[in-house]
Amino acid sequence: DAKTTQPTSMDCAEGRAANLPCNHSTISGNEYVYWYRQIHSQGPQYIIHGLKNNETNEMASLIITEDRKSSTLILPHATLRDTAVYYCIVRVRDSGTYKYIFGTGTRLKVLA
Amino acid sequence: GAGVSQSPSNKVTEKGKDVELRCDPISGHTALYWYRQRLGQGLEFLIYFQGNSAPDKSGLPSDRFSAERTGESVSTLTIQRTQQEDSAVYLCASSHLADTQYFGPGTRLTVL
Repeated sequence: DAKTTQPTSMDCAEGRAANLPCNHSTISGNEYVYWYRQIHSQGPQYIIHGLKNNETNEMASLIITEDRKSSTLILPHATLRDTAVYYCIVRVRDSGTYKYIFGTGTRLKVLA
Repeated sequence: GAGVSQSPSNKVTEKGKDVELRCDPISGHTALYWYRQRLGQGLEFLIYFQGNSAPDKSGLPSDRFSAERTGESVSTLTIQRTQQEDSAVYLCASSHLADTQYFGPGTRLTVL
């Protein structure tokens, strides 16, 4: 079962910030939150990940609430090429294997 | 550097035939994962290889599915006696130990 809940779809105007929320209320203390995106017909592309602290890289920022029950991915200046399905993933450890538990993601459409 | 590569990119087969899907991970990555993605769905974990350890096969849906990996190099996913419900995109990912997974472009399998 997926450990994350995301809105099915969102729209964002080009040039504006896209804020994608994710709920992971059952996350455990040592489980990381990862974000990937998938552009049509391609493999998922890594964006960012975090455990407790907010993180930023050249692609995005990740804001994790203090209780770790939710997070938000921020694309600061969305472009048309950011149109994709965005997956919020909890990485769990199951019998020695680190597994990504995928949900169905948020379909982000960036509008011109 | 070179990313994860998969072949073939597309495979059409008849029900009942066997198929082999290939994955070339990023050089030096110790871990390799196979996932299945049905149309409009998130990714389902299939199998995990880590170095010379026994693979985690807990996600394989039936005994018609099997996978092999030679050392820390190429992996092959085999589906025997294919069924129409096996139609999906099969994705491979690799990582260094338990770090971030990097995905290949996938193989789209269509079973007629």
